[in-house]
Order: sequence, then C-alpha cells, then structure tokens
Amino acid sequence: EVQLVESGGGLVKPGGSLRLSCAASGFTFTSYTMNWVRQAPGKGLEWVSSISSATTYKPSADYADSVKGRFTISRDNANNLLYLQMNSLRADDTAVYYCARRDTLGWFYFDYWGHGTLVTVSS
Amino acid sequence: EIVLTQSPGTLSLSPGERATLSCRASQSVSSSYLAWYQQKPGQAPRLLLYGASSRATGISDRFSGSGSGTDYTLSVSRLEPEDSAVYYCQQYGYSAMYIFGQGTKLEVK
Repeated sequence: EVQLVESGGGLVKPGGSLRLSCAASGFTFTSYTMNWVRQAPGKGLEWVSSISSATTYKPSADYADSVKGRFTISRDNANNLLYLQMNSLRADDTAVYYCARRDTLGWFYFDYWGHGTLVTVSS
Repeated sequence: EIVLTQSPGTLSLSPGERATLSCRASQSVSSSYLAWYQQKPGQAPRLLLYGASSRATGISDRFSGSGSGTDYTLSVSRLEPEDSAVYYCQQYGYSAMYIFGQGTKLEVK
C-alpha cells in the first residue's frame, strides 16, 4: 500500500525557517517525481515544488514563483524521504503542506497524497 | 501563465441528479495533462480523472470527463450524498508548472 506521511509542520515566526519531511513507503520511491502542494486555510490547492526521480542523471527541481529562492526541495533516496526546506517564511506561507507522488507515465497528475502537515507563520 | 477557471463556484443538487462541473483554461491546453481531484473536508485530495477522461484506479463509473482545447467538463451521474466535496481541475503547463483551478463545491442533499 502506498503511504506518504508528512511531518515537521508547526508554528514559526515570520522570517523563520522550517523543514518538512515526507516518509514514503509501499512503492519504489526512486522511480517517482515527488512534489509538495499546499493549501492555505479555506483556499484552493497550490503546487509548490517538484523534484525529479532518482533515475534521471541529475535530479532536477522546479518551484512555484511564490517560493522560488526561499524554499528548497530535496530527497533522500536511501531512506525514502522527501524534504522541503522553507526559509524566510511569510504569513502567506501558512497552509497545509501535502506531499504528492506524480505518475510515471508522463500524464503529469498526482496519484497519491499524504494527509498533510500544517505550517502556521505568525508572530 | 495559464489560468484555470472553474464554474460554478457552488453547485447544490439532490441525490440521483447529475452534476456538470466546468473547467475553462485561459489558453488551449493539452487534454493529456488535464486531471480532476475530489477533496472532502479535512481530507487530502483524491485523484478522479487524468488525461481529461480516464478514471483513476477504483473510481466509480459515475464520474466521467470530457473536453479539449480550453473547455473541460467533469460529470457526476446518479449523485449520492457522499459526492459532496470540492472538485479541482489541474493542468500541467509550460515552465514545468502545475496549475489548479480554484475549485467547485458540490453539495448533494
């Protein structure tokens, strides 16, 4: 059974940092592009970042404009972990952050999601 | 940048009726990269359809999708109260970006 379990959320002051983790199990983690998607309270979904599978020669990362330069996505393939390092946090980064797996067949959809971890940026 | 606009914002229907949800793109998008998700309160989104019309594993055939170019539709037939949720369309576009519509809230009661 595919499982994605996020952790690391919490309350942080504006300008602070936080690192989110996502523990993956039930599938070959190295074969999948992994993503972070967030949802501000009462709002819709916003894609945050993506990191390509470990099967590519040099894994590449992409970011939404809203987080570029502040957030860094990475993966630990030996331990099936996905990370999101968030720096210079702002109030509008407050959201539930979901870890999501992207399909491998090039359809570019998210087929499995974790339950999310809440990040609150407030003084 | 492509924008996905979903309508209506809220749809209220009775059990047994058919729901039609719209997702309109600001410019033509590939139907191959159009997906639909269902999200119930307090839960993570769940993939319903991909490639505009292909059902994900385990999804009821009451859910169907269609469309091309800029206009896409999610239809839900024989509505049940458990179909009450927010539905999002999503598209993968240029610049390696994933874009979501703002969502349509479906109420079945």
